[in-house]
Amino acid sequence: EVQLLESGGDLGQPGGSLRLSCAASGFTFSSFAMNWVRQAPGKGLEWVSSITSSGSIIFYAESVRGRFTISRDNSKSTLFLQMNSLRADDTAVYYCARGLGGNLGRNWFDPWGQGTLVTVSS
Amino acid sequence: DIQMTQSPPSLTASIGDRVTITCRAGQSISSYLHWYQQKPGKAPKLLIYAASTLQRGVPSRFSGSGSGTDFTLTITSLQPEDFASYYCQQSYSPPLTFGQGTKVEVK
Repeated sequence: EVQLLESGGDLGQPGGSLRLSCAASGFTFSSFAMNWVRQAPGKGLEWVSSITSSGSIIFYAESVRGRFTISRDNSKSTLFLQMNSLRADDTAVYYCARGLGGNLGRNWFDPWGQGTLVTVSS
Repeated sequence: DIQMTQSPPSLTASIGDRVTITCRAGQSISSYLHWYQQKPGKAPKLLIYAASTLQRGVPSRFSGSGSGTDFTLTITSLQPEDFASYYCQQSYSPPLTFGQGTKVEVK
């Protein structure tokens, strides 16, 4: 069974840092693009970042560019999101999702992890 | 960025009803349009990709249509487990963007 399990969500300080992880199982992780999508409380879905299977190409949403860094360790089937310079509007559930559909910028998402909650507050 | 506009934002319906949700793109996105279902407290689930292809395991009462700028998700006979929020997503060009969602509630 294909599974994604996020961890690392926590209460973070404005201006602080958090690192999210997403452990994958049930598929050949190194063959698929991966993505982060977030959802603020009571709001809709917002794409955050995508990374190719090799890690050679990365995209970011404008709202996180320069503050967040996506990376992956294919030897450990794990995806990461390093979140720096946290702001209150980064408060959200963060989902990792496998990318399907060819080129990185053409991805749809399946499956999704269960999500991990990041709260940014002093 | 490509703006995705869903309508209606919410709707009420009864078991057995036919439900239609519309998603409009701010520019042509060919068939790079995908639909997700999300239940409260749960992760989104892929229903349809490439505008009209049903994801494996999704009931056939769900269908998608459209191309260019106008797309539709149809549920032919609403079941109790279908009360949820539905989101469209474009993958024509980054940044990948979602519609604001449509919440389907019990009448």
